[in-house]
Amino acid sequence: QAVLTQPPSVSGAPGQRVTISCTGSSSNIGADYHVHWYQQVPGRAPKLLIYGNTDRPSGVPDRVSGSKSGTSASLAITGLQAEDEADYYCQSYDSSLSGVVFGGGTKLTVL
Amino acid sequence: EVQLVESGGGLAHPGESLRISCAASGFTFSTYWMDWVRQAPGKGLVWVARVEDDGGRTTYADSVKGRFIVSRDNAKKTLSLQMNSLRGEDTAVYYCARVWGYGGYARYDFWGQGILVTVSS
Repeated sequence: QAVLTQPPSVSGAPGQRVTISCTGSSSNIGADYHVHWYQQVPGRAPKLLIYGNTDRPSGVPDRVSGSKSGTSASLAITGLQAEDEADYYCQSYDSSLSGVVFGGGTKLTVL
Repeated sequence: EVQLVESGGGLAHPGESLRISCAASGFTFSTYWMDWVRQAPGKGLVWVARVEDDGGRTTYADSVKGRFIVSRDNAKKTLSLQMNSLRGEDTAVYYCARVWGYGGYARYDFWGQGILVTVSS
């Protein structure tokens, strides 16, 4: 069972906005460690989508954004496109486990 | 161009050993921490192990501590994972990943393509 909790699936129509939540605890997200987000197309390696809670690597469109508050973080994607259909994972650090932790992943379906 | 290429995967029986490697190119390998992350079939990402830039400090997930050993050869720009006493639950695609940042702020900015390790009798 993953340390960070994500919804198993979310969906939206093209052009709509979706959000994916990532809930942790006082030993990870709540301890002010950074949250990062990855996109994984089935059969491919993950790709960094958001780092440092809110920042986008070069090449990631500005319709993708991240936020963090307390022990939770969120990924938002606006103007949904077919190419956004993938699995999304949040990642942070846990001081109790002394290691990297991931969310269980969320499958985004574009209807 | 940063490239990470894993090799050495395959089939092992429970209790056996297997060694996988990751060849790095396109960046100064010796200045980055490196991690192994695995993904069981149809499941999510799980951190496995970390080795700091000079190889002097390593950390492991509890599930592999005492069985797996992560190491690196900075001269050959190679990361390795020696997997001993393999179990069925170790079956996964193993990714090597470059770590950007330190401690609780670290993220993975580049990933290898992954290598499949199957443990089965």
